[in-house]
Amino acid sequence: EVQLLESGGGFIPRGGSLRLSCAASGLSFSAYSMTWVRQAPGKGLAWVSTITDSGDRTFLADSVKGRFTVSRDNSNYALYLHMSSLRDDDTAVYFCVAGTSSAYWGQGTLVTVSS
Amino acid sequence: DIEMTQSPSSLSASVGDRVTITCRASQGITNSLSWYHQTPGKAPRLLVYAASRLESGVPSRFTGRGSGTDYTLTISSLEPEDFGTYYCQQYYSNVLTFGGGTKVEHK
Repeated sequence: EVQLLESGGGFIPRGGSLRLSCAASGLSFSAYSMTWVRQAPGKGLAWVSTITDSGDRTFLADSVKGRFTVSRDNSNYALYLHMSSLRDDDTAVYFCVAGTSSAYWGQGTLVTVSS
Repeated sequence: DIEMTQSPSSLSASVGDRVTITCRASQGITNSLSWYHQTPGKAPRLLVYAASRLESGVPSRFTGRGSGTDYTLTISSLEPEDFGTYYCQQYYSNVLTFGGGTKVEHK
Protein backbone atom coordinates (compact mmCIF):
# COMPACT_ATOMS: atom_id res chain seq x y z
CA GLU A 1 0.00 0.00 0.00
CA VAL A 2 1.35 3.40 -0.97
CA GLN A 3 1.61 5.83 1.93
CA LEU A 4 2.70 9.46 1.88
CA LEU A 5 2.98 11.07 5.29
CA GLU A 6 3.58 14.80 5.58
CA SER A 7 4.97 16.41 8.69
CA GLY A 8 6.44 19.69 9.85
CA GLY A 9 3.38 21.92 9.72
CA GLY A 10 2.32 24.21 12.53
CA PHE A 11 2.06 27.83 13.56
CA ILE A 12 4.83 30.06 12.25
CA PRO A 13 5.26 33.84 12.52
CA ARG A 14 5.07 35.97 9.41
CA GLY A 15 8.52 36.11 7.85
CA GLY A 16 9.58 32.84 9.43
CA SER A 17 10.90 29.62 7.94
CA LEU A 18 9.71 26.04 8.02
CA ARG A 19 10.62 22.73 6.46
CA LEU A 20 7.93 20.28 5.50
CA SER A 21 8.75 16.61 5.05
CA CYS A 22 6.99 13.81 3.24
CA ALA A 23 7.85 10.22 4.07
CA ALA A 24 6.98 7.79 1.30
CA SER A 25 6.50 4.04 1.44
CA GLY A 26 4.99 1.30 -0.69
CA LEU A 27 6.22 2.70 -3.99
CA SER A 28 9.41 2.88 -5.98
CA PHE A 29 10.13 6.40 -4.80
CA SER A 30 13.00 7.16 -7.13
CA ALA A 31 10.79 6.40 -10.14
CA TYR A 32 8.35 9.20 -9.36
CA SER A 33 8.53 12.90 -9.78
CA MET A 34 7.05 14.40 -6.64
CA THR A 35 4.75 17.37 -6.24
CA TRP A 36 3.57 19.70 -3.48
CA VAL A 37 0.01 21.03 -3.73
CA ARG A 38 -1.56 23.38 -1.21
CA GLN A 39 -5.08 24.37 -0.29
CA ALA A 40 -5.83 27.55 1.62
CA PRO A 41 -8.76 27.36 4.06
CA GLY A 42 -12.02 27.19 2.10
CA LYS A 43 -10.21 27.57 -1.24
CA GLY A 44 -9.25 25.39 -4.17
CA LEU A 45 -6.16 23.36 -4.95
CA ALA A 46 -2.98 25.18 -5.96
CA TRP A 47 0.21 23.65 -7.32
CA VAL A 48 3.34 24.68 -5.41
CA SER A 49 6.28 22.68 -6.71
CA THR A 50 7.45 19.60 -8.58
CA ILE A 51 10.81 17.85 -8.47
CA THR A 52 11.88 15.28 -11.05
CA ASP A 53 12.50 11.66 -10.11
CA SER A 54 16.26 12.13 -9.92
CA GLY A 55 16.00 15.54 -8.32
CA ASP A 56 17.92 17.22 -11.12
CA ARG A 57 15.14 19.64 -12.01
CA THR A 58 12.71 21.58 -9.88
CA PHE A 59 9.72 23.72 -10.76
CA LEU A 60 8.08 26.30 -8.53
CA ALA A 61 4.93 28.39 -8.73
CA ASP A 62 5.59 32.09 -9.27
CA SER A 63 3.98 32.84 -5.90
CA VAL A 64 6.71 30.95 -4.04
CA LYS A 65 9.76 31.44 -6.27
CA GLY A 66 12.67 32.88 -4.33
CA ARG A 67 11.11 31.82 -1.02
CA PHE A 68 10.54 28.04 -1.28
CA THR A 69 12.82 25.28 -2.46
CA VAL A 70 12.07 21.60 -2.96
CA SER A 71 14.45 18.71 -2.48
CA ARG A 72 14.39 14.96 -2.08
CA ASP A 73 16.42 12.12 -0.63
CA ASN A 74 15.79 9.03 -2.72
CA SER A 75 17.81 6.79 -0.42
CA ASN A 76 15.47 7.63 2.45
CA TYR A 77 12.23 7.91 0.45
CA ALA A 78 11.81 11.51 1.58
CA LEU A 79 10.59 14.74 0.01
CA TYR A 80 11.09 18.18 1.48
CA LEU A 81 9.71 21.67 1.04
CA HIS A 82 11.87 24.41 2.48
CA MET A 83 9.76 27.50 3.10
CA SER A 84 11.09 30.92 4.06
CA SER A 85 9.84 34.51 4.24
CA LEU A 86 6.44 33.08 4.99
CA ARG A 87 3.42 35.29 4.33
CA ASP A 88 -0.16 35.20 5.52
CA ASP A 89 -1.28 33.83 2.13
CA ASP A 90 0.99 30.79 2.56
CA THR A 91 -1.45 29.54 5.18
CA ALA A 92 -2.76 26.27 3.79
CA VAL A 93 -2.83 22.52 4.02
CA TYR A 94 0.18 21.22 2.09
CA PHE A 95 -0.20 17.90 0.30
CA CYS A 96 2.57 15.66 -0.93
CA VAL A 97 1.72 13.93 -4.24
CA ALA A 98 3.54 11.15 -6.09
CA GLY A 99 3.76 12.21 -9.72
CA THR A 100 1.97 14.99 -11.56
CA SER A 101 -1.38 13.27 -12.08
CA SER A 102 -1.77 10.90 -9.24
CA ALA A 103 -3.87 8.63 -7.13
CA TYR A 104 -1.23 8.93 -4.43
CA TRP A 105 -1.73 11.87 -2.09
CA GLY A 106 -0.81 12.34 1.53
CA GLN A 107 -3.39 13.57 4.03
CA GLY A 108 -1.73 16.96 4.26
CA THR A 109 -0.09 19.08 6.92
CA LEU A 110 -1.46 22.46 7.99
CA VAL A 111 0.79 25.49 7.93
CA THR A 112 -0.61 28.57 9.65
CA VAL A 113 1.28 31.83 9.21
CA SER A 114 0.31 34.23 11.90
CA SER A 115 1.43 37.65 12.92
CA ASP B 1 1.02 29.39 -17.55
CA ILE B 2 -1.96 27.37 -18.76
CA GLU B 3 -5.19 28.60 -17.24
CA MET B 4 -7.93 26.09 -16.50
CA THR B 5 -11.46 27.49 -16.49
CA GLN B 6 -13.93 25.17 -14.83
CA SER B 7 -17.72 25.53 -14.92
CA PRO B 8 -20.05 25.72 -13.22
CA SER B 9 -18.47 26.77 -9.95
CA SER B 10 -21.33 25.11 -8.13
CA LEU B 11 -24.47 23.15 -8.86
CA SER B 12 -27.36 21.66 -6.94
CA ALA B 13 -28.39 18.12 -7.76
CA SER B 14 -30.28 15.13 -6.42
CA VAL B 15 -29.35 11.49 -6.18
CA GLY B 16 -29.96 9.95 -9.59
CA ASP B 17 -29.32 13.14 -11.56
CA ARG B 18 -26.95 13.30 -14.51
CA VAL B 19 -24.22 15.87 -13.87
CA THR B 20 -21.71 17.34 -16.31
CA ILE B 21 -18.75 19.56 -15.41
CA THR B 22 -16.67 21.39 -18.00
CA CYS B 23 -13.04 22.43 -18.03
CA ARG B 24 -11.44 24.64 -20.68
CA ALA B 25 -7.69 25.10 -21.03
CA SER B 26 -6.18 28.35 -22.29
CA GLN B 27 -4.18 26.32 -24.82
CA GLY B 28 -4.18 22.78 -26.14
CA ILE B 29 -3.10 20.20 -23.57
CA THR B 30 -3.29 17.01 -25.68
CA ASN B 31 -5.48 15.12 -23.20
CA SER B 32 -3.06 15.69 -20.28
CA LEU B 33 -6.04 16.25 -18.02
CA SER B 34 -7.12 14.70 -14.74
CA TRP B 35 -10.28 14.96 -12.67
CA TYR B 36 -10.34 14.74 -8.87
CA HIS B 37 -13.09 14.57 -6.27
CA GLN B 38 -12.63 16.00 -2.79
CA THR B 39 -14.76 15.93 0.32
CA PRO B 40 -14.12 18.20 3.34
CA GLY B 41 -11.06 17.32 5.36
CA LYS B 42 -9.86 14.72 2.88
CA ALA B 43 -7.21 14.58 0.20
CA PRO B 44 -8.44 14.69 -3.40
CA ARG B 45 -9.22 11.36 -5.04
CA LEU B 46 -8.16 10.76 -8.64
CA LEU B 47 -11.10 9.80 -10.83
CA VAL B 48 -9.89 10.20 -14.40
CA TYR B 49 -6.51 10.70 -16.04
CA ALA B 50 -5.47 11.23 -19.65
CA ALA B 51 -8.85 12.91 -20.13
CA SER B 52 -10.83 9.68 -20.41
CA ARG B 53 -9.08 6.85 -18.56
CA LEU B 54 -10.86 5.77 -15.41
CA GLU B 55 -8.61 5.26 -12.40
CA SER B 56 -8.73 1.77 -10.94
CA GLY B 57 -11.68 1.33 -8.59
CA VAL B 58 -13.63 4.34 -9.88
CA PRO B 59 -17.24 3.48 -10.73
CA SER B 60 -18.28 3.38 -14.37
CA ARG B 61 -20.89 6.11 -13.82
CA PHE B 62 -17.97 8.56 -14.22
CA THR B 63 -16.96 9.42 -17.78
CA GLY B 64 -14.26 11.78 -18.95
CA ARG B 65 -14.24 13.15 -22.48
CA GLY B 66 -12.64 15.86 -24.51
CA SER B 67 -9.68 16.90 -26.58
CA GLY B 68 -7.64 19.95 -27.42
CA THR B 69 -8.76 22.62 -24.97
CA ASP B 70 -12.22 21.39 -23.92
CA TYR B 71 -12.94 18.57 -21.48
CA THR B 72 -15.92 17.25 -19.54
CA LEU B 73 -16.60 14.97 -16.62
CA THR B 74 -20.04 13.37 -16.53
CA ILE B 75 -21.64 11.46 -13.69
CA SER B 76 -24.43 9.43 -15.25
CA SER B 77 -26.45 8.94 -12.07
CA LEU B 78 -25.38 10.79 -8.96
CA GLU B 79 -24.85 8.69 -5.83
CA PRO B 80 -24.83 10.01 -2.25
CA GLU B 81 -21.04 9.67 -2.01
CA ASP B 82 -20.55 11.85 -5.11
CA PHE B 83 -21.35 15.14 -3.41
CA GLY B 84 -18.36 17.35 -2.80
CA THR B 85 -16.00 19.35 -4.97
CA TYR B 86 -14.52 18.34 -8.32
CA TYR B 87 -11.32 19.72 -9.79
CA CYS B 88 -9.73 19.40 -13.19
CA GLN B 89 -5.94 19.60 -13.50
CA GLN B 90 -3.63 19.82 -16.49
CA TYR B 91 -0.21 18.19 -16.49
CA TYR B 92 0.80 19.07 -20.05
CA SER B 93 3.10 21.75 -18.68
CA ASN B 94 5.71 21.44 -15.96
CA VAL B 95 3.74 24.26 -14.33
CA LEU B 96 0.69 22.31 -13.23
CA THR B 97 -2.62 24.11 -12.90
CA PHE B 98 -6.01 23.28 -11.42
CA GLY B 99 -9.44 24.48 -12.30
CA GLY B 100 -11.25 26.53 -9.70
CA GLY B 101 -13.47 23.65 -8.65
CA THR B 102 -17.12 22.68 -8.96
CA LYS B 103 -19.03 22.17 -5.74
CA VAL B 104 -21.85 19.63 -6.15
CA GLU B 105 -24.45 20.20 -3.45
CA HIS B 106 -27.76 18.64 -2.47
CA LYS B 107 -30.73 20.25 -4.18
